[in-house]
Amino acid sequence: DAKTTQPNSMESNEEEPVHLPCNHSTISGTDYIHWYRQLPSQGPEYVIHGLTSNVNNRMASLAIAEDRKSSTLILHRATLRDAAVYYCILETSGSRLTFGEGTQLTVNP
Amino acid sequence: NAGVTQTPKFQVLKTGQSMTLQCAQDMNHEYMSWYRQDPGMGLRLIHYSVGAGITDQGEVPNGYNVSRSTTEDFPLRLLSAAPSQTSVYFCASTPYLVTGELFFGEGSRLTVL
Repeated sequence: DAKTTQPNSMESNEEEPVHLPCNHSTISGTDYIHWYRQLPSQGPEYVIHGLTSNVNNRMASLAIAEDRKSSTLILHRATLRDAAVYYCILETSGSRLTFGEGTQLTVNP
Repeated sequence: NAGVTQTPKFQVLKTGQSMTLQCAQDMNHEYMSWYRQDPGMGLRLIHYSVGAGITDQGEVPNGYNVSRSTTEDFPLRLLSAAPSQTSVYFCASTPYLVTGELFFGEGSRLTVL
């Protein structure tokens, strides 16, 4: 399965933007890039996904490098409720998502 | 809407006992899957199904059985529980052939003594 690499942890201040990086150098042409987040004691929650173009939704933006070997999840204004583990995942064929260990985001008030 | 419902939420077993974790979804999703999450770790795929009557193995299938007799239900069976199966189990579903959101249940915390 295709692998992703993320920093173990990151910190941000409330109301500031957060850029969460992800490397996926072995991505294939048809793999979608997904981001999920997991709050303590909850199941993962979908954030955003994309293939080649940058994507925006109400929760975040996804910036995908031109060669697709890396991507960045952007939270435009972090809130305390955004503190979670963020997973960058490649979707291989058949909707099969393989989770890594993710990035623990801490948001400071 | 109920979404993805998992039962039980908590369970304690003794080594060698069997049990079934239930998962039901009311969104008519064709794809369903089971993950386990050990403390401080990401999720690992156990088994998945792309439709009724079709199942396949994920990363860590040993010790677990699944079946998919209906679109709505995807139970996970532990035939002979082992302490190494102590974990939090998550069921998820999504419409197959549509790349998008994977909907997760709230999880089932299993302890094997």
